[in-house]
Parts: sequence; C-alpha cells; structure tokens
Amino acid sequence: DAKTTQPPSMDCAEGRAANLPCNHSTISGNEYVYWYRQIHSQGPQYIIHGLKNNETNEMASLIITEDRKSSTLILPHATLRDTAVYYCIVRVNYGGSQGNLIFGKGTKLSVKP
Amino acid sequence: DGGITQSPKYLFRKEGQNVTLSCEQNLNHDAMYWYRQDPGQGLRLIYYSQIVNDFQKGDIAEGYSVSREKKESFPLTVTSAQKNPTAFYLCASSSNRDSNTEAFFGQGTRLTVV
Repeated sequence: DAKTTQPPSMDCAEGRAANLPCNHSTISGNEYVYWYRQIHSQGPQYIIHGLKNNETNEMASLIITEDRKSSTLILPHATLRDTAVYYCIVRVNYGGSQGNLIFGKGTKLSVKP
Repeated sequence: DGGITQSPKYLFRKEGQNVTLSCEQNLNHDAMYWYRQDPGQGLRLIYYSQIVNDFQKGDIAEGYSVSREKKESFPLTVTSAQKNPTAFYLCASSSNRDSNTEAFFGQGTRLTVV
C-alpha cells in the first residue's frame, strides 16, 4: 500500500498558485519525498524531491514540514498544461539500493481558465 | 538521446495468448520496474529488478513474468493466466548509485485483449 495520502482532486485558476498537499505520517528518517505528475495517457514525469529541506526547481517548489509528516507541492503560476494527476511518493531505501516506487491514486489537478 | 523506450505503443491480442512487452533503457540504470494502470486508477507495481539477473514480485505479479538478462532490457510477459490483462503498462528505470535519484518512465504500452 502507498504510504501517502492525497486529496483525490483539486481545482486551480490559471495563473494562480496551485498548492497540492500530501500526508506521509509514517515516513522513515532515510526516506525521501518525491513528486511526479502524469498527463493523460503518458508516462509519469518527475517534478521534484526532497528529504527535509524545502526545495525549488524550474517546475515547482516542495515544502516539507519540520516533522516530515506532510509536504506541499507548489506550482507558482499554474497553466492549462499543468492539468494532470500529481503523485506524492515516499521512496523506500534499503542498503545501497533504491526501493521500489509505490504509487497511490494521486491528486487530479484541473487548471481552469 | 538517452531515455527509456517501450514498444509497441498499442498492442492487440486474442484471449489466451501470451504477449511480451518490451522495455529498453540506455541510461545505465541498475533498477527497472513494471507498472500496470487501469482507467482512473494509480499505478500498481507488477515486478521490479534492482540488478541484472535478479527480480522481485510487486503487488500484482500473478499472471505476469519478467526476465533481466541484460542491464538495458526488462521485458514483461503477460501470460494467459492473467485474468484481466487489458490495461496501460508502464516501465521505469532508476539509478542505484545515488540515494535520491528520480525514476524515468517510458510512454507506456496500451494492451487490449479481445
């Protein structure tokens, strides 16, 4: 089962910030939070990831709470092309190997004009 | 260009036939994954492989088989034992050399069994 909980859907007005929440209350100390998005009928696309510090890249910002039990993905100026399903994933690590990626159902973000 | 390639994009098969989906990557990634996605649903893990000649069952491995004879390739066979094989299949790969690298996904194969 997925270790994350996300709302099933959200709406956002074009040009406004989209804030997508994710709960991961059972996250372990060496697990990272990853965000992906999937546009209809395509493969998921990596957005951003973090461990405990806030992160920003050209696509989005990731805010992780101090206790690491939740995080928020921020799309600062949402466009119609940001309409997609957004997945929050906790990446299991063991030893020197990557753990597998467990996806939940994600949040369907609809950006409206 | 480096990337992960799935083929074919669309595949039709008759019920009772085995079918193999291709997944190739030239990213020098150690780990590879197969997921299944049904309409309106998230991704469910079928099989994964952390290294050549080794693979593990995911959450829904029944009716599927894989092989990992080469680092670049991780083919998935959908057998006749899979009760409901019609779905969108996604392959992914990631590096094991770092503790926090992202996974790259192919564009998927849509399998329809009639």
